[in-house]
This record gives sequence, structure tokens and C-alpha cells, in this order.
Amino acid sequence: DIQMTQSPSSLSASVGDRVTITCRASQTIRTFLNWYQQKPGKAPNLLIYDASSLQSGVPSRFSGSGSGTDFTLTISSLQPEDSATYFCQQSYSSLTFGGGTKVEIK
Amino acid sequence: QVQLQESGPGLVKPSQTLSLTCTVSGDSISSSSNYWSWIRQPAGKGLEWIGRIYTTGGTNYNPSLKSRVTISLDTSKNQFSLNLNSVTAADTAVYYCARLRGVGRWLIPSYFDYWGQGTLVSVSS
Repeated sequence: DIQMTQSPSSLSASVGDRVTITCRASQTIRTFLNWYQQKPGKAPNLLIYDASSLQSGVPSRFSGSGSGTDFTLTISSLQPEDSATYFCQQSYSSLTFGGGTKVEIK
Repeated sequence: QVQLQESGPGLVKPSQTLSLTCTVSGDSISSSSNYWSWIRQPAGKGLEWIGRIYTTGGTNYNPSLKSRVTISLDTSKNQFSLNLNSVTAADTAVYYCARLRGVGRWLIPSYFDYWGQGTLVSVSS
């Protein structure tokens, strides 16, 4: 099984800050990597697919990069509504999720 | 707009079978080039993929749950279902159904673009 490791597990940042979340795969997954945002009591919402493609309707302050084993989700200017937990998910072999990163606003 | 809605009992006794149904609107599960999937999330924890089914009825399951899981289609009602047998307290979670997008020429199952709202299932006597 491919293991997905996210870091950090949580972070606190101010409005307007640039925020970076990383996801590392236990083996190469090429660009079969997706990112989701989940707010409390809600289903996850797709942000980025295929490592760097922005899902329709998602604000452009969200971006993704990476290939192989190392990936990054960046929020260029953190907004209050971005307070949530973020998950990565690989689809190269079966389907597995990372453990999540909780983003809080200072 | 594609919408999914889970339904089923919120409480299941240990050793019994958990059964949930997902009703899909805005897409046809019998003709779509996508897959239909179940994911669960224990309280305060991460997401675990359970399995998926294609329009042909072909299935693929998480190896850790494979011996206990069955996913099936009811094309006449545009629904798909989850059965998880021999449940324990460890199966207590919010269960989501979702559309798993098939991408490219070979319809590689890739990302979840539509989700149901989720339903909490507790396993307790």
C-alpha cells in the first residue's frame, strides 16, 4: 500500500499569510495526487486534482505542485474562510488519503 | 448539478451488517464514465476509502476491508449500496458516498468531485 504523510499536522497563520502544506508518498505516484478541503461537519471539497489542476469554482489563491513523491498545496493569501482541514489523496495505486492538516486562523 | 444522498440506519449492533444506500441525481450511474465510491471517517480522524463500483458492476475494495465489504448497483433507482458485515465499534464513523472521476482514455479512477453530506453510523449494542 502507498502511504501518504502530510506535514504539518496543524498550523496557525494570520490572514494574508502564505501557507504551505506538504504531502509525501511512500513511493512514486507521478502526478496522481489530489487535495481536498474539509470544514467541520461537512463533506470534503475537491480543490486540486492531478497535482496542479485547479477544480472549477475554487479560488485562485489555492495552488498545487509536485510530482513523484513530494507535493505541496499553497494558499497564497490566507482568508478567514480557509480555516479547515486539508487532505491529500493518491490514486496511482488503489486510493489512500493523507492524515490531514488542520489550518487555523490566528 | 450532481447530487448524492446517503440513507440507512444510524445504529447497528456488533457482529451485524451495516447497510447504506446512496441515491444519485444529475448523473446516470448506468451510463456514466465515472465510478461510484464509499469513504468513511471516524470522529476526529482521517478519511478511509472503502471501495468503488463501475457502471458494469465491476468492483474494487480497500484490501483492509475487502473480506467484509460488498458494493452493488441498482440502476433502476440510480442508486448504489454498501454492505459491511461483522461490524465492531471500530466501524463507527461518518460514511460518505462520492463520485470518483474516471480520467483519460482508460478512465483511470482519480479524484472525488461530488460527495454526499455523510451519514453517521454507530456500532453499539
